[in-house]
Amino acid sequence: AQSVTQLDSQVPVFEEAPVELRCNYSSSVSVYLFWYVQYPNQGLQLLLKYLSGSTLVKGINGFEAEFNKSQTSFHLRKPSVHISDTAEYFCAVSAGGTSYGKLTFGQGTILTVHP
Amino acid sequence: DGGITQSPKYLFRKEGQNVTLSCEQNLNHDAMYWYRQDPGQGLRLIYYSQIVNDFQKGDIAEGYSVSREKKESFPLTVTSAQKNPTAFYLCASRSESGNTIYFGEGSWLTVV
Repeated sequence: AQSVTQLDSQVPVFEEAPVELRCNYSSSVSVYLFWYVQYPNQGLQLLLKYLSGSTLVKGINGFEAEFNKSQTSFHLRKPSVHISDTAEYFCAVSAGGTSYGKLTFGQGTILTVHP
Repeated sequence: DGGITQSPKYLFRKEGQNVTLSCEQNLNHDAMYWYRQDPGQGLRLIYYSQIVNDFQKGDIAEGYSVSREKKESFPLTVTSAQKNPTAFYLCASRSESGNTIYFGEGSWLTVV
């Protein structure tokens, strides 16, 4: 079984400032890691995913995340945020094989970008 | 355009009534999933289906039922046995060879 903990429920930040959204996970097997963004009353959009290879993953909208196996973390970063980045962000994990796609989500982090 | 269509977007139900949420995809994906979202709790897996005519319970299947008679369709029925059905419901899919899970726009169910 897997579990995901997003360490901050809300992150306020000023426009053009850097931001980091923290995600820790636990699992007894190797996992794949994802970050999704959700705008109000909409579905989830994939920002980026880590499957294998380089531990630094680049995604859409200027976001990137680093997989740290020893610390079981997958923090999301952006060097300069925009007002349009205001949304809720979800970290998720999935085991491989036939379990791939069965996502375990964190509780979400609401990012609010202030002008 | 290819994608996942969920309907209706908003649905109101009286207590004691069953309601069915529709999920249709034209991505030719094999696997489909239903998730429930509650504020502050993230998303939780209700049911999933890897192929037609086969489906498995997820973490919170009690009070829900599904069918998978066609590859493109995976409807979810919220039965009167579901104690707290008011939530946002999200359908997702992925291809057998793909590694991206796509989500629909979701359906809001409110029990009044």
